[in-house]
Amino acid sequence: DIQMTQSPSSLSASVGDRVTISCRASQTINIYLNWYEQKRGKAPRLLIYATTRLQSGVPSRFSASGGGTDFSLTINNLQPEDFATYYCQQSYSTPYTFGQGTKLDI
Amino acid sequence: QVQLQESGPGLVKPSQTLSLTCTVSGASIFSNEYYWSWLRQHPGEGPELIGYIYYSGGTYYNPSLKSRLTISVDTSKSQFSLKLNSVTAADTAIYYCARVRKQLVRTYFDYWGQGTLVTVSS
Repeated sequence: DIQMTQSPSSLSASVGDRVTISCRASQTINIYLNWYEQKRGKAPRLLIYATTRLQSGVPSRFSASGGGTDFSLTINNLQPEDFATYYCQQSYSTPYTFGQGTKLDI
Repeated sequence: QVQLQESGPGLVKPSQTLSLTCTVSGASIFSNEYYWSWLRQHPGEGPELIGYIYYSGGTYYNPSLKSRLTISVDTSKSQFSLKLNSVTAADTAIYYCARVRKQLVRTYFDYWGQGTLVTVSS
Protein backbone atom coordinates (compact mmCIF):
# COMPACT_ATOMS: atom_id res chain seq x y z
CA ASP A 1 0.00 0.00 0.00
CA ILE A 2 1.10 3.59 -0.61
CA GLN A 3 1.65 5.45 2.66
CA MET A 4 0.61 9.07 2.88
CA THR A 5 2.32 11.19 5.52
CA GLN A 6 1.07 14.65 6.42
CA SER A 7 2.86 17.41 8.27
CA PRO A 8 2.31 18.96 10.62
CA SER A 9 -0.14 16.79 12.54
CA SER A 10 -1.64 19.90 14.07
CA LEU A 11 -1.43 23.58 13.40
CA SER A 12 -2.58 26.67 15.24
CA ALA A 13 -3.53 29.75 13.27
CA SER A 14 -5.74 32.82 13.37
CA VAL A 15 -8.49 34.20 11.17
CA GLY A 16 -6.89 35.95 8.20
CA ASP A 17 -3.71 33.85 8.28
CA ARG A 18 -2.26 31.85 5.42
CA VAL A 19 -1.39 28.23 6.18
CA THR A 20 0.21 25.41 4.25
CA ILE A 21 -0.16 21.70 4.90
CA SER A 22 2.22 19.14 3.39
CA CYS A 23 1.63 15.61 2.22
CA ARG A 24 4.24 13.08 1.14
CA ALA A 25 3.62 9.79 -0.63
CA SER A 26 5.80 6.72 -0.03
CA GLN A 27 6.20 6.34 -3.81
CA THR A 28 5.46 8.47 -6.84
CA ILE A 29 1.75 9.06 -7.43
CA ASN A 30 2.01 11.46 -10.38
CA ILE A 31 -0.82 13.96 -9.74
CA TYR A 32 -3.30 11.44 -8.33
CA LEU A 33 -3.76 13.38 -5.11
CA ASN A 34 -6.93 14.70 -3.51
CA TRP A 35 -7.58 16.85 -0.44
CA TYR A 36 -10.54 16.66 1.94
CA GLU A 37 -11.77 18.74 4.86
CA GLN A 38 -13.49 17.11 7.80
CA LYS A 39 -15.32 18.94 10.55
CA ARG A 40 -16.06 17.34 13.89
CA GLY A 41 -18.83 14.79 13.63
CA LYS A 42 -19.17 15.18 9.86
CA ALA A 43 -18.09 13.23 6.81
CA PRO A 44 -15.06 14.36 4.81
CA ARG A 45 -15.72 16.89 2.07
CA LEU A 46 -13.77 16.92 -1.20
CA LEU A 47 -11.86 20.17 -1.68
CA ILE A 48 -9.30 19.51 -4.41
CA TYR A 49 -8.74 16.67 -6.87
CA ALA A 50 -5.93 15.81 -9.28
CA THR A 51 -3.50 17.84 -7.16
CA THR A 52 -4.66 21.32 -8.19
CA ARG A 53 -8.29 21.27 -9.33
CA LEU A 54 -10.82 22.94 -7.08
CA GLN A 55 -14.03 21.00 -6.55
CA SER A 56 -17.18 22.88 -7.47
CA GLY A 57 -18.36 25.15 -4.68
CA VAL A 58 -15.02 25.27 -2.84
CA PRO A 59 -13.82 28.84 -2.14
CA SER A 60 -10.87 30.14 -4.15
CA ARG A 61 -8.86 30.78 -0.97
CA PHE A 62 -8.03 27.07 -1.15
CA SER A 63 -5.22 26.11 -3.52
CA ALA A 64 -2.82 23.22 -3.88
CA SER A 65 0.28 22.16 -5.73
CA GLY A 66 2.76 19.36 -6.12
CA GLY A 67 3.49 16.20 -8.06
CA GLY A 68 5.41 12.95 -7.79
CA THR A 69 5.72 12.40 -4.04
CA ASP A 70 5.37 15.89 -2.52
CA PHE A 71 2.19 17.92 -2.32
CA SER A 72 0.80 20.87 -0.40
CA LEU A 73 -2.51 22.51 0.40
CA THR A 74 -2.62 26.26 1.07
CA ILE A 75 -5.46 28.19 2.63
CA ASN A 76 -5.29 31.97 2.25
CA ASN A 77 -7.18 34.39 4.47
CA LEU A 78 -8.35 31.75 6.95
CA GLN A 79 -12.01 31.97 7.83
CA PRO A 80 -13.64 30.69 11.04
CA GLU A 81 -15.28 27.84 9.10
CA ASP A 82 -11.86 26.57 7.91
CA PHE A 83 -10.87 25.27 11.32
CA ALA A 84 -11.12 21.54 10.70
CA THR A 85 -9.00 18.48 9.97
CA TYR A 86 -7.52 18.11 6.49
CA TYR A 87 -6.62 14.85 4.77
CA CYS A 88 -4.71 14.05 1.62
CA GLN A 89 -5.62 10.89 -0.33
CA GLN A 90 -3.92 9.14 -3.22
CA SER A 91 -5.89 7.61 -6.06
CA TYR A 92 -2.84 6.32 -7.99
CA SER A 93 -3.25 2.72 -6.95
CA THR A 94 -5.59 0.60 -4.89
CA PRO A 95 -6.16 0.48 -2.05
CA TYR A 96 -6.61 4.25 -2.17
CA THR A 97 -5.09 5.58 1.04
CA PHE A 98 -5.41 8.68 3.19
CA GLY A 99 -2.97 10.61 5.31
CA GLN A 100 -3.35 10.68 9.06
CA GLY A 101 -4.74 14.21 8.99
CA THR A 102 -3.71 17.72 9.94
CA LYS A 103 -5.85 19.39 12.57
CA LEU A 104 -6.11 23.13 12.07
CA ASP A 105 -7.26 25.05 15.09
CA ILE A 106 -7.17 28.46 16.63
CA GLN B 1 -28.70 16.76 -4.99
CA VAL B 2 -26.80 13.53 -4.46
CA GLN B 3 -27.39 11.97 -1.07
CA LEU B 4 -26.17 8.76 0.52
CA GLN B 5 -27.53 7.36 3.76
CA GLU B 6 -26.11 4.48 5.78
CA SER B 7 -28.37 2.22 7.83
CA GLY B 8 -27.83 -0.80 10.04
CA PRO B 9 -27.16 -1.91 13.61
CA GLY B 10 -24.88 0.25 15.71
CA LEU B 11 -23.86 -2.64 17.96
CA VAL B 12 -22.49 -6.00 16.83
CA LYS B 13 -21.23 -8.83 18.99
CA PRO B 14 -17.69 -10.16 18.53
CA SER B 15 -17.42 -12.98 15.94
CA GLN B 16 -20.72 -11.96 14.35
CA THR B 17 -21.39 -10.20 11.03
CA LEU B 18 -21.53 -6.45 10.59
CA SER B 19 -24.17 -5.52 7.98
CA LEU B 20 -24.79 -2.05 6.61
CA THR B 21 -26.81 -0.68 3.70
CA CYS B 22 -26.35 2.57 1.82
CA THR B 23 -29.31 4.15 0.03
CA VAL B 24 -28.51 6.48 -2.86
CA SER B 25 -30.81 9.30 -3.91
CA GLY B 26 -30.44 12.19 -6.34
CA ALA B 27 -28.16 10.18 -8.62
CA SER B 28 -28.42 7.06 -10.71
CA ILE B 29 -26.60 4.06 -9.33
CA PHE B 30 -26.36 2.90 -12.99
CA SER B 31 -23.89 5.61 -13.98
CA ASN B 32 -20.79 4.28 -15.76
CA GLU B 33 -18.64 7.05 -14.30
CA TYR B 34 -19.11 6.10 -10.70
CA TYR B 35 -18.45 3.32 -8.26
CA TRP B 36 -20.03 2.97 -4.83
CA SER B 37 -17.76 2.54 -1.88
CA TRP B 38 -17.49 1.78 1.80
CA LEU B 39 -14.90 3.39 4.04
CA ARG B 40 -14.35 3.42 7.76
CA GLN B 41 -12.58 5.71 10.16
CA HIS B 42 -11.08 4.86 13.52
CA PRO B 43 -10.81 7.70 16.07
CA GLY B 44 -7.92 10.03 15.31
CA GLU B 45 -7.08 8.40 11.98
CA GLY B 46 -7.71 9.05 8.32
CA PRO B 47 -10.44 7.14 6.52
CA GLU B 48 -9.67 3.62 5.27
CA LEU B 49 -11.09 2.26 2.03
CA ILE B 50 -12.95 -0.99 2.65
CA GLY B 51 -14.00 -1.61 -0.95
CA TYR B 52 -16.26 -0.55 -3.77
CA ILE B 53 -18.76 -1.92 -6.28
CA TYR B 54 -19.89 -1.05 -9.78
CA TYR B 55 -23.59 -1.13 -10.69
CA SER B 56 -23.01 -4.31 -12.70
CA GLY B 57 -21.66 -6.06 -9.59
CA GLY B 58 -17.93 -5.84 -10.18
CA THR B 59 -16.09 -5.29 -6.91
CA TYR B 60 -12.78 -4.22 -5.40
CA TYR B 61 -11.95 -5.30 -1.84
CA ASN B 62 -9.14 -4.00 0.30
CA PRO B 63 -6.78 -6.98 0.66
CA SER B 64 -6.56 -6.37 4.41
CA LEU B 65 -10.29 -7.16 4.73
CA LYS B 66 -10.96 -9.27 1.67
CA SER B 67 -11.30 -12.62 3.44
CA ARG B 68 -14.15 -11.29 5.63
CA LEU B 69 -15.87 -8.95 3.21
CA THR B 70 -18.82 -8.95 0.84
CA ILE B 71 -20.15 -5.86 -0.96
CA SER B 72 -23.30 -6.21 -3.04
CA VAL B 73 -25.63 -3.94 -4.97
CA ASP B 74 -29.42 -3.88 -5.39
CA THR B 75 -30.06 -1.59 -8.35
CA SER B 76 -33.85 -1.92 -8.01
CA LYS B 77 -33.66 -0.20 -4.64
CA SER B 78 -30.69 2.10 -5.43
CA GLN B 79 -28.83 0.49 -2.56
CA PHE B 80 -25.52 -1.20 -1.95
CA SER B 81 -24.52 -3.17 1.09
CA LEU B 82 -21.57 -4.22 3.21
CA LYS B 83 -21.12 -7.44 5.14
CA LEU B 84 -18.04 -7.93 7.27
CA ASN B 85 -17.92 -11.20 9.16
CA SER B 86 -16.02 -12.45 12.20
CA VAL B 87 -15.79 -8.96 13.64
CA THR B 88 -13.57 -8.00 16.57
CA ALA B 89 -13.16 -4.84 18.63
CA ALA B 90 -10.72 -3.60 15.96
CA ASP B 91 -13.67 -3.26 13.60
CA THR B 92 -15.28 -0.63 15.83
CA ALA B 93 -15.31 2.54 13.74
CA ILE B 94 -17.44 5.07 11.94
CA TYR B 95 -18.52 3.53 8.64
CA TYR B 96 -19.19 5.73 5.61
CA CYS B 97 -20.60 5.02 2.21
CA ALA B 98 -19.38 7.29 -0.57
CA ARG B 99 -19.55 7.71 -4.32
CA VAL B 100 -16.28 7.26 -6.18
CA ARG B 101 -15.67 8.99 -9.47
CA LYS B 102 -13.12 6.93 -11.40
CA GLN B 103 -11.77 8.68 -14.47
CA LEU B 104 -7.95 8.53 -14.54
CA VAL B 105 -6.67 11.50 -12.50
CA ARG B 106 -10.27 12.41 -11.74
CA THR B 107 -10.62 9.62 -9.20
CA TYR B 108 -12.00 10.76 -5.89
CA PHE B 109 -14.75 10.37 -3.28
CA ASP B 110 -17.15 13.19 -4.07
CA TYR B 111 -20.29 12.46 -2.06
CA TRP B 112 -20.38 10.82 1.35
CA GLY B 113 -23.05 9.59 3.71
CA GLN B 114 -23.16 11.10 7.18
CA GLY B 115 -21.47 8.04 8.67
CA THR B 116 -22.66 5.53 11.21
CA LEU B 117 -20.83 4.40 14.32
CA VAL B 118 -20.58 0.64 14.65
CA THR B 119 -19.36 -0.72 17.96
CA VAL B 120 -18.23 -4.32 18.36
CA SER B 121 -18.90 -5.40 21.92
CA SER B 122 -20.57 -8.20 23.83
